[in-house]
Amino acid sequence: AQSVSQHNHHVILSEAASLELGCNYSYGGTVNLFWYVQYPGQHLQLLLKYFSGDPLVKGIKGFEAEFIKSKFSFNLRKPSVQWSDTAEYFCAVIPILTGGGNKLTFGTGTQLKVEL
Amino acid sequence: EPEVTQTPSHQVTQMGQEVILRCVPISNHLYFYWYRQILGQKVEFLVSFYNNEISEKSEIFDDQFSVERPDGSNFTLKIRSTKLEDSAMYFCASRSGGLIPEQFFGPGTRLTVL
Repeated sequence: AQSVSQHNHHVILSEAASLELGCNYSYGGTVNLFWYVQYPGQHLQLLLKYFSGDPLVKGIKGFEAEFIKSKFSFNLRKPSVQWSDTAEYFCAVIPILTGGGNKLTFGTGTQLKVEL
Repeated sequence: EPEVTQTPSHQVTQMGQEVILRCVPISNHLYFYWYRQILGQKVEFLVSFYNNEISEKSEIFDDQFSVERPDGSNFTLKIRSTKLEDSAMYFCASRSGGLIPEQFFGPGTRLTVL
């Protein structure tokens, strides 16, 4: 079964610092990759997604992620974080399976706190 | 912009009681999902539903759980006899057909079993 690992469980940054959150997955076939964000008290929102093509994908709010197939990684980055980026970030994977239900497998999440 | 809605936002129940969590997926979507997130843990897949039947379910989704799409718009999750460990946030999601598997999530229902 596929799994997703997020290495940083809690990250604290100052405003304007750069962010990189790690995500690795275990599945040998074709995958679709996602980053979701959950702001305090709110529901999951899609930040960005990778389906195919350019491995560097740009999402909302200045976030981007790079798919490195050889490393089974999909790290999330932002050059300069803001206080409003304080949230929990989830990496998720859908393996592309014939006839599959396309369930999302989530990582454990990274709690990001941005301090003023 | 269309969105997935869920009711209630918070449900408190006694252990052993039945609960029904309701979801209204985006209207032209064909695939429906339930996930749950126990406090402090990751989001876990429960079940997927397509063409009026379960297409996949996790080991969490035992006989105490059932799903239904009773009227073509609602998508419900029923827990027949709730346990303390069922306390979690339950998220509904839906997606359109085709090759793009992007799922849209509802705001969740927080279930508290006492």
